[in-house]
Amino acid sequence: GEDVEQSLFLSVREGDSSVINCTYTDSSSTYLYWYKQEPGAGLQLLTYIFSNMDMKQDQRLTVLLNKKDKHLSLRIADTQTGDSAIYFCAESFSGGYNKLIFGAGTRLAVHP
Amino acid sequence: KAGVTQTPRYLIKTRGQQVTLSCSPISGHRSVSWYQQTPGQGLQFLFEYFSETQRNKGNFPGRFSGRQFSNSRSEMNVSTLELGDSALYLCASSLSGDDGYTFGSGTRLTVV
Repeated sequence: GEDVEQSLFLSVREGDSSVINCTYTDSSSTYLYWYKQEPGAGLQLLTYIFSNMDMKQDQRLTVLLNKKDKHLSLRIADTQTGDSAIYFCAESFSGGYNKLIFGAGTRLAVHP
Repeated sequence: KAGVTQTPRYLIKTRGQQVTLSCSPISGHRSVSWYQQTPGQGLQFLFEYFSETQRNKGNFPGRFSGRQFSNSRSEMNVSTLELGDSALYLCASSLSGDDGYTFGSGTRLTVV
């Protein structure tokens, strides 16, 4: 079945690293995504990883994928107040499915 | 390059009315998909279009429909509006539907 789970809330101190975790159930997913949503805005694509990769790094963002455990994480280095937002993990499927299944989102609060 | 454009940004309708939302994808993108975001249900897939054909549909009643034009622009229509249709409607475009999805800022629909 299709299900993506995330913890709902994370609080970190400015300058620390944030790690947001996600688990998914369907092993046939092709890509796994991280999106950021700020209040009143749409979804901003942060990064995505192909399902046959283990890691992807993009500036302050590091994505780790553990296919065996179906676990995905997003690490934000040197977290800033501007990183405060809701972060959504999502998986997509090829082969005629062409849709994203989203988690419920993790609200990241960055405090001084 | 211009992003995904959704119009209008905000809309207030009365129960029983119908509404049409518009989405212009990124130039060259042929896949357009629609999502509904509500506090209770989160982000849910509505449907996806590619080259004017609906390839996939989510679990929504027949009151929700869509179409895609030859220039890849898409519209979604909701007939006989209900209070529960109040939501943020997000459109996403991608080259083929198997790669990264870019979202628009959304249309916030309020049904009173």
